Amino acid sequence: NAGVTQTPKFRILKIGQSMTLQCTQDMNHNYMYWYRQDPGMGLKLIYYSVGAGITDKGEVPNGYNVSRSTTEDFPLRLELAAPSQTSVYFCASSRGQIKAGTYEQYFGPGTRLTVT
Amino acid sequence: DAKTTQPTSMDCAEGRAANLPCNHSTISGNEYVYWYRQIHSQGPQYIIHGLKNNETNEMASLIITEDRKSSTLILPHATLRDTAVYYCIVQDYGQNFVFGPGTRLSVLP
Repeated sequence: NAGVTQTPKFRILKIGQSMTLQCTQDMNHNYMYWYRQDPGMGLKLIYYSVGAGITDKGEVPNGYNVSRSTTEDFPLRLELAAPSQTSVYFCASSRGQIKAGTYEQYFGPGTRLTVT
Repeated sequence: DAKTTQPTSMDCAEGRAANLPCNHSTISGNEYVYWYRQIHSQGPQYIIHGLKNNETNEMASLIITEDRKSSTLILPHATLRDTAVYYCIVQDYGQNFVFGPGTRLSVLP
């Protein structure tokens, strides 16, 4: 299993440009997540999905959009990039809440995004 | 906001046990304690979790006080590769994780 993969690894955007961060998992996990991590800070949840066709907002959703058409893929769309979106973006997946206490998340390697 | 309090940083000598504390005084009865770590700029890695009882796996041990208001993650024989930021998270069934700033552990040769 490759686990959770993310592309690209690095990207530089100009203000106002748009892009899609790709995330794929091969563990057949129902739950997927997008986090951002600013320098020296913890992770903040942007969006999450509990299954194909179902998405919901996290703590910091403004400026982002997501879709979940398949179990494997959960792309994150940035529209009209702003310098405040400069961050490292992590995608994660989990089996879900089948049983309380079995909720560990598996993270991808991250995408480092700079908006100038 | 994170429901936990952790020291900002700690040092540990290589080969010694690393004991990382976490305060979660407002934890509710259904909330689990999870530990993750983040090595350099990689994605966070799950370590261990528990509810009431102490837990041990191949990576670490988790000691939870009887009143559940605090816990300690123990790395029994720290190596240089254990240098990382360690996150303590409390979470109930159905909630999403809230990652605080964590503890930066430096394992020194």
